[in-house]
This record gives sequence, C-alpha cells and structure tokens, in this order.
Amino acid sequence: GQQLNQSPQSMFIQEGEDVSMNCTSSSIFNTWLWYKQEPGEGPVLLIALYKAGELTSNGRLTAQFGITRKDSFLNISASIPSDVGIYFCAGAPGGSQGNLIFGKGTKLSVKP
Amino acid sequence: AAGVIQSPRHLIKEKRETATLKCYPIPRHDTVYWYQQGPGQDPQFLISFYEKMQSDKGSIPDRFSAQQFSDYHSELNMSSLELGDSALYFCASSSRTGALGYTFGSGTRLTVV
Repeated sequence: GQQLNQSPQSMFIQEGEDVSMNCTSSSIFNTWLWYKQEPGEGPVLLIALYKAGELTSNGRLTAQFGITRKDSFLNISASIPSDVGIYFCAGAPGGSQGNLIFGKGTKLSVKP
Repeated sequence: AAGVIQSPRHLIKEKRETATLKCYPIPRHDTVYWYQQGPGQDPQFLISFYEKMQSDKGSIPDRFSAQQFSDYHSELNMSSLELGDSALYFCASSSRTGALGYTFGSGTRLTVV
C-alpha cells in the first residue's frame, strides 16, 4: 500500500535552534497535512497544503508541498520547550475519499 | 469553538467482550473518520462515513463495525476483543463542502485485559 517515509525519526535539539523534517512518497498526494501530537491526545493540525509548490507559514512553522506532489517538509524556527512532541505528516492520496495516510512521526525533544 | 467529542476517554474490557466508542463531530461537519493508533505507532485509518453512508474502508477488522447516525455522530462497535486491540482510537471530522479542515478528537484509550 501507499506509504509515507518521514525523517528523521527523532531529534534532540537546543532551545533556539531551527528544526527541519520531511516526508516523501513514491505516490502522488493531493493534500499534505502536518500534525503535532502530545501524549494521550489527538493530533492537532498545524499546517495544511493543497497545491503543488505551495509554501505556507503558521507563526514559527513553515511547510511546503513539493512540486512533484510526492514530498513535503516542515520547518520550525527558533524552537522553544513547548515544541516538544511528535510531529506527523499526513497525506490524502489521489482518488481517496479524504482518508489520510500518516508518516511514522518525528519525535522532537528540546533542551532548555 | 466546538471540537470533536469522543467518549469514553478510557475503557477497559476483557478479552472476547464488546466495546462501543462514540464520536460527535464538529457541528456542520458531514464526514467522520476513525483511526487506530497502537503504542508508539502512527494512526492507521479504519473507516469513514459521509452523509451517513460508508465512504471508505481501511484496515478495519471484520470484528469491528461502525455507522453514522442522522445527527452525524458515529459509533465504532468492536466485538470479540483481543489483546492486540488495545490502542488509542481517534475520530476526526471534516466538511466536504469546504477545505479539508480535518480535526481530531482527543481519542478513546481502549485497554483489553
């Protein structure tokens, strides 16, 4: 089945550093979404991307929908301790009814 | 703002018992999705409903069934529970008429003992 390859699996960074993570797929996706999940809670939508090449920001977060529609990246600038969590990319494959395929997640740890 | 409401938040069942999870979508959202997330895993799509009809099916076991009611709330029924069914179950809702405003509930943690 379709898969999303998300990397890195985990990151340990110093407060104030920038963070970059990405997702790739061998298939085309119509929509890319980036979520943050904290323990015991549901994923919270950070950024949604709908068009190839689209670059969208949400505060310190920036994400792009790759021009080939097979990849996306998420950048977090000037990280702070509350950025800690698991970040998931998710994509809606072409022809889907909206169900999402998730990447395996990037676990972010921030040292004050 | 109203969010996706799931109940119960926690559920403990014994093997071979049944469980029913409920999901109340955001008002005016017509589509509901169910996901299962095992410990340390990414969410896996189970099933979705649009306007009370099943719209897509993922890796949902035959022991599970779901439906969406006239008020758009949805229930996931799980029978003959197995230890491996222990997981977080999330419901998400969206509106087909607008952008993909996918919102997840806080989940139900099911523990099968």
